Amino acid sequence: NAGVTQTPKFRVLKTGQSMTLLCAQDMNHEYMYWYRQDPGMGLRLIHYSVGEGTTAKGEVPDGYNVSRLKKQNFLLGLESAAPSQTSVYFCASSYDKSGQETQYFGPGTRLLVL
Amino acid sequence: AQRVTQPEKLLSVFKGAPVELKCNYSYSGSPELFWYVQYSRQRLQLLLRHISRESIKGFTADLNKGETSFHLKKPFAQEEDSAMYYCALNRAGGTSYGKLTFGQGTILTVHP
Repeated sequence: NAGVTQTPKFRVLKTGQSMTLLCAQDMNHEYMYWYRQDPGMGLRLIHYSVGEGTTAKGEVPDGYNVSRLKKQNFLLGLESAAPSQTSVYFCASSYDKSGQETQYFGPGTRLLVL
Repeated sequence: AQRVTQPEKLLSVFKGAPVELKCNYSYSGSPELFWYVQYSRQRLQLLLRHISRESIKGFTADLNKGETSFHLKKPFAQEEDSAMYYCALNRAGGTSYGKLTFGQGTILTVHP
């Protein structure tokens, strides 16, 4: 199993550009999450999904959109990137049939918005 | 609202010394507490959870509901313990959907 994978690993954007971050998991997990990690702020939840076709807002959703068209994929979109969105983005998944809610994280995507 | 506080951004100890990473939380209900660790160039991973009451890599953490704390302890630190440590809280039961509230993180450096 590859676990949780993220694409791309690193990206540089100009202000106003758009991009999509892809998260994929092969553990048949129901729940998926997008976090951003900033110095001194810890990890903050952007959006999450409790199943295919469902999404919900987390703590810091503004400026981001998400989609969960397939159970194994969770996409995070930035429609118009801003320098404040410079961060490291982590995807995570959890909750299999055993009820385990341990979150499994991807390797992260470093995003720099100029 | 729930909140997790890790008062130390940086913590340095020498190899063989005891280490304690502090975590305090605020939540009116019954929480589930976790410690996640991120080693250099590795992804964030679960270290331990309070309901398991287990020791992982020599680390233990006890949930103290009276003091609303979940401090991580190890009696003899090793150089390989150097990493970023995050304390996290999840609401037990209900429809929390596994959502975690993370603390700000503590960077532990163990010197030889």
